[in-house]
Amino acid sequence: KNQVEQSPQSLIILEGKNCTLQCNYTVSPFSNLRWYKQDTGRGPVSLTIMTFSENTKSNGRYTATLDADTKQSSLHITASQLSDSASYICVVSARDAGNMLTFGGGTRLMVKP
Amino acid sequence: EAQVTQNPRYLITVTGKKLTVTCSQNMNHEYMSWYRQDPGLGLRQIYYSMNVEVTDKGDVPEGYKVSRKEKRNFPLILESPSPNQTSLYFCASMTGQYSPLHFGNGTRLTVT
Repeated sequence: KNQVEQSPQSLIILEGKNCTLQCNYTVSPFSNLRWYKQDTGRGPVSLTIMTFSENTKSNGRYTATLDADTKQSSLHITASQLSDSASYICVVSARDAGNMLTFGGGTRLMVKP
Repeated sequence: EAQVTQNPRYLITVTGKKLTVTCSQNMNHEYMSWYRQDPGLGLRQIYYSMNVEVTDKGDVPEGYKVSRKEKRNFPLILESPSPNQTSLYFCASMTGQYSPLHFGNGTRLTVT
């Protein structure tokens, strides 16, 4: 069964600090991995999409890495801001014609002043 | 503006009273899907549609119906809502396997 596990479940950091969120997956055959940011009560918003051949991708202060061999990804947030407080969801897409997306449970990040 | 529009944003209803949550996208996306989100459980897929007249069950389809008669619309139907369907629902769409999923702003449903 395809699974996506995220860690930690929650994280509190001080404004200005960096942090790294983890995502491990067992989705096969792998197509791509996505990171989404979800503000409380709102729909998730896409941050990055990485395919098998991409090791890293940045979107402003967000940098995602992918190790397809170990089936791990990380999302690094640099110089955190209060507006980074949100849930971050890892989603892995499988290369088949059926149900393509497997969602992780998310990491809830709180940035404190 | 490219968007996924869900209606209503909030809905309170009683057990057994049929309801429909509408979802419309203006991006000509082929793929559309519905999710529910409950505290501690993350997003769980209810149904998805790869194209017009093509729908399939997700992880938690029991108690829900969908239809895809035209590309832009993908309504979620609860024939006989029950309190365990109280949740936050999201509709989403995307062009294809390598494109981002665009989410609506959600519908908060309460069934009493």
